[in-house]
Amino acid sequence: DAGVIQSPRHEVTEMGQEVTLRCKPISGHDYLFWYRQTMMRGLELLIYFNNNVPIDDSGMPEDRFSAKMPNASFSTLKIQPSEPRDSAVYFCASSTLTDTQYFGPGTRLTVL
Amino acid sequence: DQQVKQNSPSLSVQEGRISILNCDYTNSMFDYFLWYKKYPAEGPTFLISISSIKDKNEDGRFTVFLNKSAKHLSLHIVPSQPGDSAVYFCAASDGTDKLIFGTGTRLQVFP
Repeated sequence: DAGVIQSPRHEVTEMGQEVTLRCKPISGHDYLFWYRQTMMRGLELLIYFNNNVPIDDSGMPEDRFSAKMPNASFSTLKIQPSEPRDSAVYFCASSTLTDTQYFGPGTRLTVL
Repeated sequence: DQQVKQNSPSLSVQEGRISILNCDYTNSMFDYFLWYKKYPAEGPTFLISISSIKDKNEDGRFTVFLNKSAKHLSLHIVPSQPGDSAVYFCAASDGTDKLIFGTGTRLQVFP
């Protein structure tokens, strides 16, 4: 199994630009989570899906952030417009109901 | 408001000694706790967990202790090895599908 796949691994963009992060969960996993890692707040849960349906988006910082999961094998996290304070490492994780979460390698986002 | 707190951002331990990483939580509804380990440029990986019905769980060199009355858990690594150098995240669940993570503790094991 290839594990959770995230792309791109690194993204550098300018303030105001749209950023799209991508995630492919492990096949057969019906939960998908998006996290953001910062020094101050550690790993914050942004949103999670169950069977492609968003269950809890209370961690999404503001309307500039949106996430979709059009099918069981793909999810996106979009930031529009991006701001320097969005700079962080974004992780995607997937799991089944009875298993622990498996994380992808993360996308390091830098907004200049 | 941080419901899961790791108050030590870093810890340095000599190889062969015991490493003790601490975690405090505020939500009494948490009933399942996990530790994840993270190497640079990689995602966190699951290390060990404990249910609130237990006060200790052991897996090889790793032992997690839970003190429910103090809302405190700790991870003991004995003996510590250089390969244990990583960031360790404590996480908690209240029975829902999501985990609440702490800010992490960076462990460095030196020879």
